[in-house]
Amino acid sequence: NAGVTQTPKFQVLKTGQSMTLQCAQDMNHNSMYWYRQDPGMGLRLIYYSASEGTTDKGEVPNGYNVSRLNKREFSLRLESAAPSQTSVYFCASSLLAGVGNEQFFGPGTRLTVL
Amino acid sequence: QQPVQSPQAVILREGEDAVINCSSSKALYSVHWYRQKHGEAPVFLMILLKGGEQKGHEKISASFNEKKQQSSLYLTASQLSYSGTYFCGTENPGAGSYQLTFGKGTKLSVIP
Repeated sequence: NAGVTQTPKFQVLKTGQSMTLQCAQDMNHNSMYWYRQDPGMGLRLIYYSASEGTTDKGEVPNGYNVSRLNKREFSLRLESAAPSQTSVYFCASSLLAGVGNEQFFGPGTRLTVL
Repeated sequence: QQPVQSPQAVILREGEDAVINCSSSKALYSVHWYRQKHGEAPVFLMILLKGGEQKGHEKISASFNEKKQQSSLYLTASQLSYSGTYFCGTENPGAGSYQLTFGKGTKLSVIP
């Protein structure tokens, strides 16, 4: 069981470039999440997918798009990267969305936008 | 709105105890606690649910005061391995019920 995996681990982009962060889980979870973590800010939810076929905005969705490709995979796309998107991005999953379901996090992608 | 954690940072010697608090201005369905070591992913510790149910690590204890909208994490007889940043995450009724809103974290350092 790999749990939650993310690729790439590190990425450097120039302003205006695009990229897709990949996330996959092998725990047969229904719900998946994308967070960003900035120094001193904690974790902030970008988008989530409560179940396959659905996606919803979180707290900070501007500048991002997501795709729930299938039950296992949930990708995050930056169409035109900006320096403000320099951050560590974590993908997480839980068995179900809703109250009381613990989330399992991937190892993170460290993104720098120059 | 982000829950407020206190203290922001604490240094302990091995064997000492600590309490980390999490306070919300909104009603809560539940409070989650996670620990993150430097350069790693957050790891689940515990969930406390409205109504008193808890699930998580046996060696971790926490409380949830629904009326005060507060939770506290109790770390007793601390070990070096307890070092890291502790985050609480809250689930609030109404505003996106599938969303966890995390506090800014409490950095715990345990020294020999």
